[in-house]
Amino acid sequence: NAGVMQNPRHLVRRRGQEARLRCSPMKGHSHVYWYRQLPEEGLKFMVYLQKENIIDESGMPKERFSAEFPKEGPSILRIQQVVRGDSAAYFCASSLRQGFDGELFFGEGSRLTVL
Amino acid sequence: RKEVEQDPGPFNVPEGATVAFNCTYSNSASQSFFWYRQDCRKEPKLLMSVYSSGNEDGRFTAQLNRASQYISLLIRDSKLSDSATYLCVVTGGAAGNKLTFGGGTRVLVKP
Repeated sequence: NAGVMQNPRHLVRRRGQEARLRCSPMKGHSHVYWYRQLPEEGLKFMVYLQKENIIDESGMPKERFSAEFPKEGPSILRIQQVVRGDSAAYFCASSLRQGFDGELFFGEGSRLTVL
Repeated sequence: RKEVEQDPGPFNVPEGATVAFNCTYSNSASQSFFWYRQDCRKEPKLLMSVYSSGNEDGRFTAQLNRASQYISLLIRDSKLSDSATYLCVVTGGAAGNKLTFGGGTRVLVKP
């Protein structure tokens, strides 16, 4: 009965490197959301995906960030050429259906540190 | 103006006391409202939904005021374990399918 699994839990990158964060939703869930949380701040929506489709990417920075949720395998949030300002906790959440009932199940987060 | 605004606190609450705080939202078309709880460096978890008529879950009471566009959370008989950050969440309307989180209100319950 695994929940939302995120890995790595902690990731350290130097400026200019790439970061890949993975998220496996709860079994049976086909809706995945990525949120970013900066230190001492709230969660900021980044992207909402269903299998093989990006539904809403209005919170994604225009450059360097991309997300996918392939037919097989986990959802991946990719950050190219990381900068110090990308240091944050990245939370993935999944839901059984579109989240109007409010029940998003969150993973424990991936904490990215850019040196 | 932020879509969802909260007083960041912290609210320092003696154990056993009552604490209440609000959250305002800017989009009058918002449809659904929730309170999530986040412990330090942990993931957020759903605390309760907020219904138009108000609702109660044990020591927690949530209310919605659509006219003034705010929701509230009241915690009675505070426990040390209630110390956490409480996140106001709004969805629907312009937000579409995504949940929009407030910055959170930090509550510290002290003996």
